[in-house]
Amino acid sequence: GNSVTQMEGPVTLSEEAFLTINCTYTATGYPSLFWYVQYPGEGLQLLLKATKADDKGSNKGFEATYRKETTSFHLEKGSVQVSDSAVYFCALSGDSGGSNYKLTFGKGTLLTVNP
Amino acid sequence: NAGVTQTPKFQVLKTGQSMTLQCAQDMNHNSMYWYRQDPGMGLRLIYYSASEGTTDKGEVPNGYNVSRLNKREFSLRLESAAPSQTSVYFCASSVLLKNSPLHFGNGTRLTVT
Repeated sequence: GNSVTQMEGPVTLSEEAFLTINCTYTATGYPSLFWYVQYPGEGLQLLLKATKADDKGSNKGFEATYRKETTSFHLEKGSVQVSDSAVYFCALSGDSGGSNYKLTFGKGTLLTVNP
Repeated sequence: NAGVTQTPKFQVLKTGQSMTLQCAQDMNHNSMYWYRQDPGMGLRLIYYSASEGTTDKGEVPNGYNVSRLNKREFSLRLESAAPSQTSVYFCASSVLLKNSPLHFGNGTRLTVT
């Protein structure tokens, strides 16, 4: 079945540091890949997505590139801010003919950014 | 702009008690979902409803039932709560199109003692 593995946290950085959160996946076919973010006390919200190989998703300074050859979708940001402190989830949607409900999540990575 | 609204926000139950978690969305979405979030486990799908009138089991359905009351509302029922059901429960909704994002509520924190 489908699975998502993301780097264990927690990750603690200073403001303006470079961020990488690794994510690799196992899936059949051609899944779509997502990063969701969860701020304290809130539900998850979509950060970015990529739907085919070599696509780059980007939003709010975050980027991730869909690498089929390495089955990876690593999240990066060049300069983090305190407001980026949150839990980040990598997820994939199975190639199952048009439905979203087979969304598989990684375990989440807690990021804390200190001033 | 409410989005996805879950009630209650917090709940404490004793083992064997029952309760229903409520979820409503105002975005005219076709699909709705219930997830649970546990430390170190990520989110796991309990049940989903691809469209009004249909419901299906997800990854961890045992001990739960759902009702898609109408297009807006999707409830999750615990008939006989167990300590293993202590978790944070999230409802989500989406349009029925591939790769459209899930919109999540703010969660219900449930403790079963």
